[in-house]
Amino acid sequence: AQSVTQPDARVTVSEGASLQLRCKYSYSATPYLFWYVQYPRQGLQLLLKYYSGDPVVQGVNSFEAEFSKSNSSFHLQKASVHWSDSAVYFCALSMNSNNRIFFGDGTQLVVKP
Amino acid sequence: EAAVTQSPRNKVAVTGGKVTLSCNQTNNHNNMYWYRQDTGHGLRLIHYSYGAGSTEKGDIPDGYKASRPSQENFSLILELATPSQTSVYFCASGEQGASAETLYFGSGTRLTVL
Repeated sequence: AQSVTQPDARVTVSEGASLQLRCKYSYSATPYLFWYVQYPRQGLQLLLKYYSGDPVVQGVNSFEAEFSKSNSSFHLQKASVHWSDSAVYFCALSMNSNNRIFFGDGTQLVVKP
Repeated sequence: EAAVTQSPRNKVAVTGGKVTLSCNQTNNHNNMYWYRQDTGHGLRLIHYSYGAGSTEKGDIPDGYKASRPSQENFSLILELATPSQTSVYFCASGEQGASAETLYFGSGTRLTVL
């Protein structure tokens, strides 16, 4: 069965620091992978997605993620965070382009001024 | 810009009452989804639809019905609401294609069942 694990429920970083949010997946083949962000009192918005090719994927607002088949991971990174990046980040997986998406439990990011 | 609109934004219901949550999308997407979001559980899929007239059960369908009368509208129905259904509900639309489907979410409905 497929699953997505985000091991960190909450991450706190200082403004200007670098960031990594971890995501591990379980699936026998190469999945489609996503990161979504949820700002307070809003729905989720797509940050980036991976489905083939270059394992480093660029997304909106200078976020990027790296797919690792050997580690079954899809970690989200940003070189320098801003206070406005405070939100909940969800990693998600789909088994193919026509299949529904499974979400992790989310990581709440708090950026301290 | 993709647009998914949910109504109502907030709802208070009594145990045993009927609740209907509505969702409208102007994206002309075939697929629509209902999720609920609870602390510690992330998003869990309740029902989804591949087009008008179709509904499919997700991971937690018990106690919920869904209706897709048109391409644009997808409703979630709680015939007999219970306090355990207190949650935030999100509707999303998406379109199948060659690449991975992107979901477009509404702003959510906060449901409280007393």
